[in-house]
Amino acid sequence: TQLLEQSPQFLSIQEGENLTVYCNSSSVFSSLQWYRQEPGEGPVLLVTVVTGGEVKKLKRLTFQFGDARKDSSLHITAAQPGDTGLYLCAGAEGAGSYQLTFGKGTKLSVIP
Amino acid sequence: IAGITQAPTSQILAAGRRMTLRCTQDMRHNAMYWYRQDLGLGLRLIHYSNTAGTTGKGEVPDGYSVSRANTDDFPLTLASAVPSQTSVYFCASSPQGRGEQFFGPGTRLTVL
Repeated sequence: TQLLEQSPQFLSIQEGENLTVYCNSSSVFSSLQWYRQEPGEGPVLLVTVVTGGEVKKLKRLTFQFGDARKDSSLHITAAQPGDTGLYLCAGAEGAGSYQLTFGKGTKLSVIP
Repeated sequence: IAGITQAPTSQILAAGRRMTLRCTQDMRHNAMYWYRQDLGLGLRLIHYSNTAGTTGKGEVPDGYSVSRANTDDFPLTLASAVPSQTSVYFCASSPQGRGEQFFGPGTRLTVL
């Protein structure tokens, strides 16, 4: 069973600060997704990374897939209260795989 | 609006009762999934279906059953509910050959 370890588990920062969330595994994934979940709602897909070393930007969010496709990071620049939520990474085991392995998430609180 | 709907939104159930959680998607996705989300344990896969007419067991299938009679619907049944099945249940779907999953809003189930 492939595992994804996310760190930190909890993060509380002031508005305007930068932060990085990590997602690590000893296994190789064909693709990796990042989701954000707000209280009382389902996870919402933010991005998918597929190629080792790939970097994707979504406004103030930067996602990177490790060269070996075993790890990923999410960097948020100038965090805002609207960024508050649970950030989940999830990996697909093989090309065309229907199943995802989810990390346990990083709970981010951005204080105004 | 395209997406996934789940019903009911929440339910309180007596132990030993039978309960079916409903999930419907209108995106014509081949694959569908049921997860439970518990504090400290993250999202855990209960059952999945890669295409209509087929189902498979996930990480925590005991006490649950599913059926996939058509592309759109994927009900989850608890034959005889127990308190340990108290959780938030999410249904998700995925396009063929891609890892990204799209989640419903969840059903909060309490078994007393």
